Formats: sequence, C-alpha cells, structure tokens
Amino acid sequence: DTAVSQTPKYLVTQMGNDKSIKCEQNLGHDTMYWYKQDSKKFLKIMFSYNNKELIINETVPNRFSPKSPDKAHLNLHINSLELGDSAVYFCASSLRTGWRGTEAFFGQGTRLTVV
Amino acid sequence: GNSVTQMEGPVTLSEEAFLTINCTYTATGYPSLFWYVQYPGEGLQLLLKATKADDKGSNKGFEATYRKETTSFHLEKGSVQVSDSAVYFCALMDGNKLVFGAGTILRVKS
Repeated sequence: DTAVSQTPKYLVTQMGNDKSIKCEQNLGHDTMYWYKQDSKKFLKIMFSYNNKELIINETVPNRFSPKSPDKAHLNLHINSLELGDSAVYFCASSLRTGWRGTEAFFGQGTRLTVV
Repeated sequence: GNSVTQMEGPVTLSEEAFLTINCTYTATGYPSLFWYVQYPGEGLQLLLKATKADDKGSNKGFEATYRKETTSFHLEKGSVQVSDSAVYFCALMDGNKLVFGAGTILRVKS
C-alpha cells in the first residue's frame, strides 16, 4: 500500500491552462508539504499544512493554490500555467511538524511539462 | 537562514570503490540532519538521519556522523555497487521544513 501517493505521475499541458495535482497519505501524519524540483534537481519547499492549516507559504506566485480538505489530502491547483512552471512536484508528509528528527515521506512526484 | 552545501557532482566511481559525499551546514542551534536518496524516476527516500552532535546515522552500508565542530554531515560507504547510482541529498530540519542541499549525482560503473 503506497504511503504517499500523487496523481497524475505525468502532466503535459499548454500554457495558460489550469491544472491540479492530487496527493494523499495513509500514514496518519499531521503535516503535509509540496516541494518543487527544478531541472537541476534542486528542491525547494512551496507550502506546508499541519492538520489542514497552512503553516508555510514560501514566495510562490498566487497562481499556485494549495487545498487541504482533510489532513490526509493536500492538493495543488495551478492557474494560468507558464513555461517556467515545468518541474517535478513532490508531495510529502511527516508525523508532526517541528519535532526533532521527524522525517518526511515523499510521493513519487508529478512531472509537469508546460508547452 | 539555515542552509546546506553539498559537493558538486557528478561523482563517478567504479564498483567496490569508497564513497564520500561532503555536506556542510549553516544553522542557528543544532538542527536534525538527514541524507535522502532519489533513484531515477522515483521520489526521495530517507537514507539515514542524526538528531544531535556526535550521532552516527547508518543504513544499507552508508553512514554519516553529525559533527558540530566542523558543521558537517559527510556521507560515506565503504564499497559502492552499481545499484547505488542515484542522486543524494543532504538536508536539515529548519523549524517546520526540510532545507535541502543541491544534490549530488552518483554514478557507479561495473
């Protein structure tokens, strides 16, 4: 049973479209994250939710809007897609936020290509 | 803010060679430190971690020791295999988020 699952795995879309990526975790964790990995493999946090509450919102364009309907799900909606949004997006979860040694579990990633 | 610096890759080794991937950090206090591995086409997996100074994390033949004197957490393995080819990320816990280094590509040739 997959711990952190994301859909879709691949997403190819045209500039200007709106798309969503879904994430679900079955680990009973309180905290979920979205990370973006660029073409050079660099990983940067975008958002974090703890028990459905937004706790981290890095300098991400307003076109990106996360939504957490419950603590097991964190979706990412992107409006008006741009070429520069092409990247791999990873969802992750951890048991508690800020606890010493708490590790994060990652999904397999969604490769978004904007053409 | 807190940050992590890793040696640049790619690192190319022959099978059974010794591996070291350097990682240093800048942080206030003593954050928890992690090594994650990303195999081709997959997500990140935790490889090992250490939560306080002088702790040694180990897993699958890899190990790293939390050195506060040198603010380092270097990854080592005595004998690499082709199956170890992947991208390795050093990371620290900064409050509520993981901060990653740039990643080091490891290629192991048979």
